[in-house]
Amino acid sequence: KAGVTQTPRYLIKTRGQQVTLSCSPISGHRSVSWYQQTPGQGLQFLFEYFSETQRNKGNFPGRFSGRQFSNSRSEMNVSTLELGDSALYLCASSLQGAAEAFFGQGTRLTVV
Amino acid sequence: QQQVKQSPQSLIVQKGGISIINCAYENTAFDYFPWYQQFPGKGPALLIAIRPDVSEKKEGRFTISFNKSAKQFSLHIMDSQPGDSATYFCAAPLFNDMRFGAGTRLTVKP
Repeated sequence: KAGVTQTPRYLIKTRGQQVTLSCSPISGHRSVSWYQQTPGQGLQFLFEYFSETQRNKGNFPGRFSGRQFSNSRSEMNVSTLELGDSALYLCASSLQGAAEAFFGQGTRLTVV
Repeated sequence: QQQVKQSPQSLIVQKGGISIINCAYENTAFDYFPWYQQFPGKGPALLIAIRPDVSEKKEGRFTISFNKSAKQFSLHIMDSQPGDSATYFCAAPLFNDMRFGAGTRLTVKP
C-alpha cells in the first residue's frame, strides 16, 4: 500500500509569490490534514479536509488556503509569500480524521 | 486552542537505558493518544497509540502509559538504542485533527 505522497519535495520561492503544494493520501483515506513545521513553533495545524469539505482550520492568515478533490487528493496554496513562511509543510491522511493519521515526507519551502 | 505540553525538550540516555517522555493535555475530542517518531528530513511516523479502554499499551520496546484522571500520558522506551535517536511527538485529538506537543529530541549514546 503506497504511503502519503507530497510534491514537490523542495521548493524555493521569492517573497510575494504564491505556491501550491500537493498531497496524495493513502488509498481509501478521505481525511487530509495539513501542518506547518518550523524549529521555533513545532507542528502547527493548518486545516483538515474530509470529502472535499474543510472541517476545521487552524490559526493561520487567509493567505493559507486549501482544497480537496473528489479523489481525496489535496492541495494547499500560500499567496503573497513572506520570509516567515519558510517551513516544512506536512500533510497527513487518515480514514476519518485525527486517529491513525499517516504523514507524508513533507515539502520543504524556502522563501527568499 | 488546545495545549499539549510535552517534556523534556531534549533527552540524552545511554544505550540500554530507559527513555521517558511525558505529555499532558487539556481537552480531547475523544480518547486516542499517539506518539510519533521523526528522523531528520522525514515526516513524522506513527509509532504507537493508546485508546481509552486500557491504561497501558506495549509494543516491543515501546510502552505508553495513560492516566485519564490526570490527563497525562507518557512514552517509555526500554533498552534504548542509538537507532532510536530521533524527535518524538505526542499528540491529542481536537475535533478532526491532531494537536501536537513541542517534541522531544532523544539522543541515545552508544
